[in-house]
Parts: sequence; structure tokens; C-alpha cells
Amino acid sequence: DAGITQSPRHKVTETGTPVTLRCHQTENHRYMYWYRQDPGHGLRLIHYSYGVKDTDKGEVSDGYSVSRSKTEDFLLTLESATSSQTSVYFCAISTGASGANVLTFGAGSRLTVL
Amino acid sequence: AQSVTQLDSQVPVFEEAPVELRCNYSSSVSVYLFWYVQYPNQGLQLLLKYLSGSTLVESINGFEAEFNKSQTSFHLRKPSVHISDTAEYFCAVSQAIQGAQKLVFGQGTRLTINP
Repeated sequence: DAGITQSPRHKVTETGTPVTLRCHQTENHRYMYWYRQDPGHGLRLIHYSYGVKDTDKGEVSDGYSVSRSKTEDFLLTLESATSSQTSVYFCAISTGASGANVLTFGAGSRLTVL
Repeated sequence: AQSVTQLDSQVPVFEEAPVELRCNYSSSVSVYLFWYVQYPNQGLQLLLKYLSGSTLVESINGFEAEFNKSQTSFHLRKPSVHISDTAEYFCAVSQAIQGAQKLVFGQGTRLTINP
């Protein structure tokens, strides 16, 4: 599993509350990613990181922020959760040779916003 | 911008029958192509990848995919499926930005194997 741990694995929250999902890796990889998975949409990139304190937006970044203060941790925050953010969130890291890196995914965090 | 289209959202087949899951992509630059598999209640696992070289790539569990540049396709095939192949399959194209490999995924194809 390339040493990726996501927490929490399941969370139910109410509209308007803040939520933070954590991705932890143990192998010192530089690149980390957050995707969301929704039926009919596959996986869509929310944010990614290319180093400590270096992050950038993906295609569906509205309503999300990220932080990476340490190589091993990449946090995804929903400042004020909405029902449209009910989804399964996957963290990933780049592994393999430079230039054609393969993504390795965590087990996912299922978020339900009521 | 790159995009991926998986032409079938669901594919039901009988056990031991052949299957083809179709994937088309659009890109103006050289691409890396991937198939990922997601078993029920699990994360995604890499099934196979095309980076360069031979256009036919194979996985360890009998799947193969062929990169066809003229048709911009990367269809996944298996000559004889098993119940254990029941899963959702995602085709993806890779876009390198600032060294990061941003994968653009298709919508997924749910493969159901009937006994």
C-alpha cells in the first residue's frame, strides 16, 4: 500500500461545519494529491502538492483548501462543508521513475454531509 | 486539455467469456496511459500502464491493453474473465505539470461477471 494512511475513513457531518481529512505517507515522496470520486465522474483532482508548503489547485478546488507543513502529511480542509461535497476522497502519491510516475492511492475517506 | 472517455458505464459478461472495456483519450502531446481497477470498498490499484515502446501492454492477471495512436484509444481486454474480476475499471491519461503527474480519469466502467 506504499505506506499511505487516510483518516478518518468514514465521517458524517452537518452542513456548515469544518472538516479536515488527513493523508499520511511513510516513504518521503515529494508529490501528493487529493482526488474525489463521484458516480459518473470518475476521479477528479482537487489539489496537489509538489513539496512542503508547495501546493496547487486541481480541476475541482472550489470549497477546499490544503496544507503541507511536513513531507509526510497532506491535509484537505473543507472550511464549511456542503452537501455537494459528499463524496469519497482519495489521497495519492507519485511513485516510480521520474517523468512517468505512477500514482499509488490510499484506501479512501468516505464523507457524508447532511 | 486532456480528456478521457470510457464508452461503457457498465459491462455485464458471463464467466469465462471475453471482455473489452473501451477507452478513448484526447491529447495534443505525448501521453502516458493507465488502467486502474477498484474492487468493492477498496482504493484504486494500478492494473497496467503504457509509457513508451511496445503498444501492447499486459498485466499479471491476464488483462492487456493496446495503445492505438491513430484512433486515440487504449482499450482493455481479457480473453476469459473470472468472478474475481468484478470491479470498476478506470482509464486515465497523465499530464505532467511542475513534475507532478496529474491523472485525468474517465468516468469508469463497472464490470459485472455473471456465473
